[in-house]
Amino acid sequence: SQLAEENSWALSVHEGESVTVNCSYKTSITALQWYRQKSGKGPAQLILIRSNEREKRNGRLRATLDTSSQSSSLSITATRCEDTAVYFCATDARSNYNVLYFGSGTKLTVEP
Amino acid sequence: NSKVIQTPRYLVKGQGQKAKMRCIPEKGHPVVFWYQQNKNNEFKFLINFQNQEVLQQIDMTEKRFSAECPSNSPCSLEIQSSEAGDSALYLCASSLSPANTEVFFGKGTRLTVV
Repeated sequence: SQLAEENSWALSVHEGESVTVNCSYKTSITALQWYRQKSGKGPAQLILIRSNEREKRNGRLRATLDTSSQSSSLSITATRCEDTAVYFCATDARSNYNVLYFGSGTKLTVEP
Repeated sequence: NSKVIQTPRYLVKGQGQKAKMRCIPEKGHPVVFWYQQNKNNEFKFLINFQNQEVLQQIDMTEKRFSAECPSNSPCSLEIQSSEAGDSALYLCASSLSPANTEVFFGKGTRLTVV
């Protein structure tokens, strides 16, 4: 079974709307990371949030982390068509060597 | 933008054939990872290196895969005898440190075993 899992397989919004992707994980972590993967490309890191942090922002992106419930969320405000991608959360499961355990991803479609 | 370069982008092999793919990590990144991403978007960690030394690898990698990161040459991942189940996107990634830092991924090599 996976150590991290997004809570939705797919989401669809219209441009300008906000959207939140949720993730739950199963082990203690040093950090949780959010990645975006566009079609034909490798994953690109969006936010790394450490276990002692509760919130992290990167432009229109905001990630939260709740270690008590072992959950995280990634919110995107003012979405754009180019935000269309698959979004993954990944935990390190306290790996000594930065090995990442990814969820299966949430496919986000932003429509004009 | 990531500067991890993977070649080839696409690879088609028959069952039982060797499949080899290469990766040039970002300049100055001593840590290299290989992941397998299947058609269901599931990632599987295969192996990672710091410079030329293996840090961690899974059983499958020990048995049917071989990987190396020689100095002054691209890293490589080779499947000795391809199976249909090996069809996937193979992603190479690199980072500055083996722990808790940003990891940069390449675009991947899509292997199809027919």
